[in-house]
Amino acid sequence: AQSVTQLGSHVSVSEGALVLLRCNYSSSVPPYLFWYVQYPNQGLQLLLKYTSAATLVKGINGFEAEFKKSETSFHLTKPSAHMSDAAEYFCAVSVSNQGGKLIFGQGTELSVKP
Amino acid sequence: DVKVTQSSRYLVKRTGEKVFLECVQDMDHENMFWYRQDPGLGLRLIYFSYDVKMKEKGDIPEGYSVSREKKERFSLILESASTNQTSMYLCAAVTRLGNTIYFGEGSWLTVV
Repeated sequence: AQSVTQLGSHVSVSEGALVLLRCNYSSSVPPYLFWYVQYPNQGLQLLLKYTSAATLVKGINGFEAEFKKSETSFHLTKPSAHMSDAAEYFCAVSVSNQGGKLIFGQGTELSVKP
Repeated sequence: DVKVTQSSRYLVKRTGEKVFLECVQDMDHENMFWYRQDPGLGLRLIYFSYDVKMKEKGDIPEGYSVSREKKERFSLILESASTNQTSMYLCAAVTRLGNTIYFGEGSWLTVV
């Protein structure tokens, strides 16, 4: 069985500070990992995905994530937070690289202070 | 860009009513999904479909059913709505060989 744990339901940073959102996964097979962002009253938008190529994955809006198999982690980072980054972020895992269903973490709400 | 449209964004229904949530996608994607989103629980899979007239239960199918009569349309049905089904419902679509899932904007359902 697969599962995803996001550490911290709420993270607050100052504008310009480093953003670090934590995600750990459990999977009996090589995982495919995703980060999604949800702005208020909207659906989910894909930020980035790991599909067994490079372990450091770059996404949209300056975000990146590193797959660490030894730590079963896929943490999301951004060097400098912008006010527009305030949103909810979801980490997800899939067993398949093709058309498969996603298992989501609980979500982390990011607040950015001026 | 793929478009996944959920026609009803905000609904208020009474306990016991039958509720239909409609989802339409415009990119001929084979696979479609219904999730519900609740604070602190993330998204949980209700039902999914890999083809017309096919359906499979997700993690929380109780109290729900689905219909997929046409490839582009995937409907979620609450046979008898209850207050614990008050939630945000998200539809998603992806190609059979793809790994980027596209989401609709969500349907907020309140059952009173």
